[in-house]
Amino acid sequence: AQRVTQPEKLLSVFKGAPVELKCNYSYSGSPELFWYVQYSRQRLQLLLRHISRESIKGFTADLNKGETSFHLKKPFAQEEDSAMYYCALINAGNNRKLIWGLGTSLAVNP
Amino acid sequence: DVKVTQSSRYLVKRTGEKVFLECVQDMDHENMFWYRQDPGLGLRLIYFSYDVKMKEKGDIPEGYSVSREKKERFSLILESASTNQTSMYLCASSSGRAQYFGPGTRLTVL
Repeated sequence: AQRVTQPEKLLSVFKGAPVELKCNYSYSGSPELFWYVQYSRQRLQLLLRHISRESIKGFTADLNKGETSFHLKKPFAQEEDSAMYYCALINAGNNRKLIWGLGTSLAVNP
Repeated sequence: DVKVTQSSRYLVKRTGEKVFLECVQDMDHENMFWYRQDPGLGLRLIYFSYDVKMKEKGDIPEGYSVSREKKERFSLILESASTNQTSMYLCASSSGRAQYFGPGTRLTVL
């Protein structure tokens, strides 16, 4: 079955510390992976997608097909990074629906 | 920029009422989605539409219906609201893989 797993419901780090939000997936085929972010009282928005191979707000994520992972990383966390983060996978059999992880709430403490 | 708007940010209804949630997108996207977002449960797809007058059930369609008479507008209907439908409802649109979200409607059913 196609599945996205975010093992941590809550991740708490101090400002300036490295942060890694984990995402593992189960999928047979060539997936496209996304990270979405929702800041407090704001809409859910696309943070980055693996095919773009870009860094957004200092975050990067590399697709590791061997480990079926797409972890989100940032070397130095900032307080404004505190948000809910969702990992999602496109269903290539029907490229309209996303399969979502349950989300990780990141708290960056001063 | 993709603009997805939802008719209400907050809505309070009584059990048994018929409730309409409206979503409008201005980017000529073919696909539109309705999700509900609940703490600990992530995003769950209710219905989606890939064309005018076309719809498909998502993961939790029970108690909901949808309408898409025009490409830019996708309505979610609760035929007879119940307290367990109290939730945050998110609308999204896409032309391909990445989805773009509205601000959400927080519905409370008393």
